[in-house]
Amino acid sequence: EAGVTQFPSHSVIEKGQTVTLRCDPISGHDNLYWYRRVMGKEIKFLLHFVKESKQDESGMPNNRFLAERTGGTYSTLKVQPAELEDSGVYFCASSPQNTEAFFGQGTRLTVV
Amino acid sequence: GNSVTQMEGPVTLSEEAFLTINCTYTATGYPSLFWYVQYPGEGLQLLLKATKADDKGSNKGFEATYRKETTSFHLEKGSVQVSDSAVYFCALSHQGAQKLVFGQGTRLTINP
Repeated sequence: EAGVTQFPSHSVIEKGQTVTLRCDPISGHDNLYWYRRVMGKEIKFLLHFVKESKQDESGMPNNRFLAERTGGTYSTLKVQPAELEDSGVYFCASSPQNTEAFFGQGTRLTVV
Repeated sequence: GNSVTQMEGPVTLSEEAFLTINCTYTATGYPSLFWYVQYPGEGLQLLLKATKADDKGSNKGFEATYRKETTSFHLEKGSVQVSDSAVYFCALSHQGAQKLVFGQGTRLTINP
């Protein structure tokens, strides 16, 4: 069974540009989460989907971040326009109902 | 709010040494507690967990006991190996896997 897959693995963009990160969860997992680790600090929760609905988006830093999960399958996280402080590693995780989450390898985003 | 505090790294040990990585938490109610590990070039993996007070989670020779009286979940291993070199994250959640709250991570390096 394939695990959680994230694309791209690395992205380097200039300040002001747009970047879209993608996450393919494990098939059949209704719960999908986005997290971010900035500058070697703690990993912080961004948002939680249940199927295609946003269950909790309390961790989204500002309106430059837009997350979608069309059809309840894969999810995208768009940053527009990107700022320097958005640099970090973005993790996606998925889980079935009320069980442990399985994480992807992360996307390392560098904004220059 | 909920928070997790880990001992600061990096931690460097020799092979076969005893390992302790401290973790304390602040939370309302009775959270579940986790240790995740990120090996070089890989995603986060669940190492062990405990869901109630006095539970002991264990895996791959690692152990951690849920201590409610000291609000701690310290990670221990009796004899570390070079292959244990990784970043270790302590985390908590309520309601199963939803919305994990992570500590800042501890980088562990084991020298042969």
